[in-house]
Amino acid sequence: GNSVTQMEGPVTLSEEAFLTINCTYTATGYPSLFWYVQYPGEGLQLLLKATKADDKGSNKGFEATYRKETTSFHLEKGSVQVSDSAVYFCALSAETGNQFYFGTGTSLTVIP
Amino acid sequence: GAGVSQSPSNKVTEKGKDVELRCDPISGHTALYWYRQRLGQGLEFLIYFQGNSAPDKSGLPSDRFSAERTGESVSTLTIQRTQQEDSAVYLCASRSQGLASYEQYFGPGTRLTVT
Repeated sequence: GNSVTQMEGPVTLSEEAFLTINCTYTATGYPSLFWYVQYPGEGLQLLLKATKADDKGSNKGFEATYRKETTSFHLEKGSVQVSDSAVYFCALSAETGNQFYFGTGTSLTVIP
Repeated sequence: GAGVSQSPSNKVTEKGKDVELRCDPISGHTALYWYRQRLGQGLEFLIYFQGNSAPDKSGLPSDRFSAERTGESVSTLTIQRTQQEDSAVYLCASRSQGLASYEQYFGPGTRLTVT
């Protein structure tokens, strides 16, 4: 079946630190992969996506590379800011059908 | 254009009462999803619609929960005889079509509190 396993939080970093949030997946076929972000008090919004192997999604300084050989889609940012404090969700969209699968979310707090 | 909207934004109800939550997807989006998010928790899938039909209802937690969608547009999630454990934010999302590469667009959610 399809599933997403995401690094558990919470994660606390100092401003300008390097961020990695691990995400691995199990899927049949060729899924698309997504990172969503939920800022405090707001709804979920798409951060980035990758739709095929070796694609790199990027947005707002965040990057994630679709690695089929390791079934991973780790989120990275070189220098986090206080404004990046949020909950981050990794998600998978199955190749067939309409189903989406979300990870449990990782809470990130960036302190000045 | 307009995004996904949900109403009400907040709902406080007494245990045992029925509640109806509404979702207006982005116009033209054929797929619509409902999720539940308890405080500090991840997303719990409830149900999704492709057009007006619901191919996957596997996430509905009990027979107190039901959902319908009419005209490939508005959807309502109904919770009968609410319990305190139903307290959560209920999120709706829509999607253009059923291709894997298309992302979901989320509404702001309805915060339900059962007292």
